[in-house]
Amino acid sequence: GAVVSQHPSRVICKSGTSVKIECRSLDFQATTMFWYRQFPKQSLMLMATSNEGSKATYEQGVEKDKFLINHASLTLSTLTVTSAHPEDSSFYICSAREEKTQYFGPGTRLLVL
Amino acid sequence: AQSVTQPDIHITVSEGASLELRCNYSYGATPYLFWYVQSPGQGLQLLLKYFSGDTLVQGIKGFEAEFKRSQSSFNLRKPSVHWSDAAEYFCAVINQAGTALIFGKGTTLSVSS
Repeated sequence: GAVVSQHPSRVICKSGTSVKIECRSLDFQATTMFWYRQFPKQSLMLMATSNEGSKATYEQGVEKDKFLINHASLTLSTLTVTSAHPEDSSFYICSAREEKTQYFGPGTRLLVL
Repeated sequence: AQSVTQPDIHITVSEGASLELRCNYSYGATPYLFWYVQSPGQGLQLLLKYFSGDTLVQGIKGFEAEFKRSQSSFNLRKPSVHWSDAAEYFCAVINQAGTALIFGKGTTLSVSS
């Protein structure tokens, strides 16, 4: 089946720094990728839809200047958390769409100190 | 508006017993339905999906699901649960624009020996 990778799997950073998370579709091309955030014991919250070669579409309440998304190729989307603060600590999961099915990466655990 | 309801927050099943996880959806047209499983600290793995055709869908790991339009349901079943099936299970439907997934809140499955 389709495989999606994420890197890093876990990151700890100081408050005020920026963190970049990569999402790659390994065996298929994805014009559309998605970024989710998941709080403990909760479902996934869609943050934004990343479209190759164009600007991302952000969900209501998600700060586009804080969560920068770049989808420069058909296999790579990146999420940069700028000037991270402790409240940004969370589990971030990406997915890539192949036809009508989304395939998910393993997630990135971000801890901001 | 489209929505997905998973009525059971937590279910405990004895190893070897059968399992049924409930999912109800609200959708105006023919839905595209999915079941995903998430182990702790991991991303989501696609178990199975329904787009059209045979309403009984077979998935990976011995899971199956049945689409019942009259009941707006897409329940997940497994005849004999293994301890390794303990995880979080999410039902999802694709939105009418075909651009994003709408998730249920998830059901936590515990397996007792």
